[in-house]
Amino acid sequence: GAVVSQHPSWVICKSGTSVKIECRSLDFQATTMFWYRQFPKQSLMLMATSNEGSKATYEQGVEKDKFLINHASLTLSTLTVTSAHPEDSSFYICSARLIAGGTGELFFGEGSRLTVL
Amino acid sequence: QKEVEQDPGPLSVPEGAIVSLNCTYSNSAFQYFMWYRQYSRKGPELLMYTYSSGNKEDGRFTAQVDKSSKYISLFIRDSQPSDSATYLCAMGAGGGNKLTFGTGTQLKVEL
Repeated sequence: GAVVSQHPSWVICKSGTSVKIECRSLDFQATTMFWYRQFPKQSLMLMATSNEGSKATYEQGVEKDKFLINHASLTLSTLTVTSAHPEDSSFYICSARLIAGGTGELFFGEGSRLTVL
Repeated sequence: QKEVEQDPGPLSVPEGAIVSLNCTYSNSAFQYFMWYRQYSRKGPELLMYTYSSGNKEDGRFTAQVDKSSKYISLFIRDSQPSDSATYLCAMGAGGGNKLTFGTGTQLKVEL
């Protein structure tokens, strides 16, 4: 299957600092990537849709100034958690479709575990 | 009522057993369905993708979709301890990018 890579896989930071997570499609170009958040023993919650060359589309209740998304190239999207607080601690996962739009398979990265002290 | 219902488990089976994992949904607009396996602290791994009602087989895995009953299943034959993970169903409507996920079923295959 297609490969989506995330970095870092885990990060610990102090409250008030910002953290950047990278998501790369390694063997295909992704005009659209998706960012999810997952709490322990819960399902995936879509945070935003990242569109190459344009603004991200955020889901209701997700603060766009808090979770900055940049999709500067066809293979890279970044999520920056700004002024992180302990409640932002979570497992963040990105994904991308092999075929842009529509109904193609969705492949996920390995996830990034954020712990805010 | 949630759009997608999935029993969270945990489901514990002996090695070699046939496992049946299920999801029901309420949105008749869902047209395509996926099953993911997620190991602890890892991202979901796509196992099966189906677009139509019926069965699709891949190795030890069989995905079954019954759109009339709004019910999908994943069967795992000859289950192995390495199959121990959380299995997530996901589904989407045609032409859209969003997927709706089940809560996941935790499976444990014991020796």
